[in-house]
Amino acid sequence: AQSVTQLGSHVSVSEGALVLLRCNYSSSVPPYLFWYVQYPNQGLQLLLKYTSAATLVKGINGFEAEFKKSETSFHLTKPSAHMSDAAEYFCAVSTLGGSEKLVFGKGTKLTVNP
Amino acid sequence: GAGVSQSPSNKVTEKGKDVELRCDPISGHTALYWYRQSLGQGLEFLIYFQGNSAPDKSGLPSDRFSAERTGGSVSTLTIQRTQQEDSAVYLCASSLRLAGAYNEQFFGPGTRLTVL
Repeated sequence: AQSVTQLGSHVSVSEGALVLLRCNYSSSVPPYLFWYVQYPNQGLQLLLKYTSAATLVKGINGFEAEFKKSETSFHLTKPSAHMSDAAEYFCAVSTLGGSEKLVFGKGTKLTVNP
Repeated sequence: GAGVSQSPSNKVTEKGKDVELRCDPISGHTALYWYRQSLGQGLEFLIYFQGNSAPDKSGLPSDRFSAERTGGSVSTLTIQRTQQEDSAVYLCASSLRLAGAYNEQFFGPGTRLTVL
């Protein structure tokens, strides 16, 4: 079984500051890892994904994440926050084969202050 | 091209009533998923359909929940005798499910269900 823990249900940063959203996973088989973003009253949009290729993954809107097997982590970063980054972010894990269902963390709401 | 669509976008119902939620996946996508997003439980997998295979129903929370997928395309999630704890946003996703590679799931905008 897989699980995801997102540290911090709310994160607040200033515009232009570093964004760091933490995600740790548990999986008995090699995982596939994802970050999704959800803007208010909208569905989920994929930011980036790790599918066993390069451990440093670049996504849309300047976000990137690094897969660290030894730490079972997949933290999301962005060097400089923009007001438009304010949203809720979800980390998810899946595995190849079977239903490939996504197991999500509880989410982190990012606030960007001017 | 068109994405995943869901209807209705909002549904308010009274406790004890049955509701049907609809999902239209992306054309050509053989896999379809239902998830539920609620304040208490976060985002949870409900059910998965792939082609003509038996669905994976392992996430359905009770026998009041059922889903079907007709003709390998449109899916309907039915909740019978709704309870207040069923209030949530129900998200549908679809993917290609090509063998040998992970297939991205594309999400619809969701249906917000409120049970009074």
